[in-house]
Amino acid sequence: KAGVTQTPRYLIKTRGQQVTLSCSPISGHRSVSWYQQTPGQGLQFLFEYFSETQRNKGNFPGRFSGRQFSNSRSEMNVSTLELGDSALYLCASSPRVGYNEQFFGPGTRLTVL
Amino acid sequence: AQTVTQSQPEMSVQEAETVTLSCTYDTSESDYYLFWYKQPPSRQMILVIRQEAYKQQNATENRFSVNFQKAAKSFSLKISDSQLGDAAMYFCALGDSNYQLIWGAGTKLIIKP
Repeated sequence: KAGVTQTPRYLIKTRGQQVTLSCSPISGHRSVSWYQQTPGQGLQFLFEYFSETQRNKGNFPGRFSGRQFSNSRSEMNVSTLELGDSALYLCASSPRVGYNEQFFGPGTRLTVL
Repeated sequence: AQTVTQSQPEMSVQEAETVTLSCTYDTSESDYYLFWYKQPPSRQMILVIRQEAYKQQNATENRFSVNFQKAAKSFSLKISDSQLGDAAMYFCALGDSNYQLIWGAGTKLIIKP
């Protein structure tokens, strides 16, 4: 089975721009979670989607949004980028809600200049 | 608020020796999961071991074992016969009743050949 894939792997943007990151979960997995990883704040939960519905949201401003499609692929969008949004964005999938093991993708490294 | 604390930013061990990584957590929930994840330099996060809070028996996966002290809210990871491939960041995480993961800051493990 193919693992979780994330595209693009690297991205450079400037302040004020917006960005969309994509995540394809493991086949059959219906839950997708997003995390932001920075040296200063560590790993922080962004949101979780299941069956195209946002189940949970972390403590991030409204500039961070996401969605999930009927094939379970997910996208996250960050609008009006700030320097502090530079981070590794990790996507994780699991078969269903309540299945506690999450399978992670390689991440997208976003640099905001 | 639920928290996870890893007090050792960095640990080093000689190859073939045993090392223990510490993790303490705080939660008011009675039903939860605890995890150790490994993030090698390639950045793909991998589950190392999982412990259900209701289980008294400590989880073991080959060379990896945990010492779960529920009353003390402690969850340490022991790596026996350390190998060069064990070098990575190790994250302790708490899975709450909402199936969200709360992460520790991580411990960088260095293996000396």
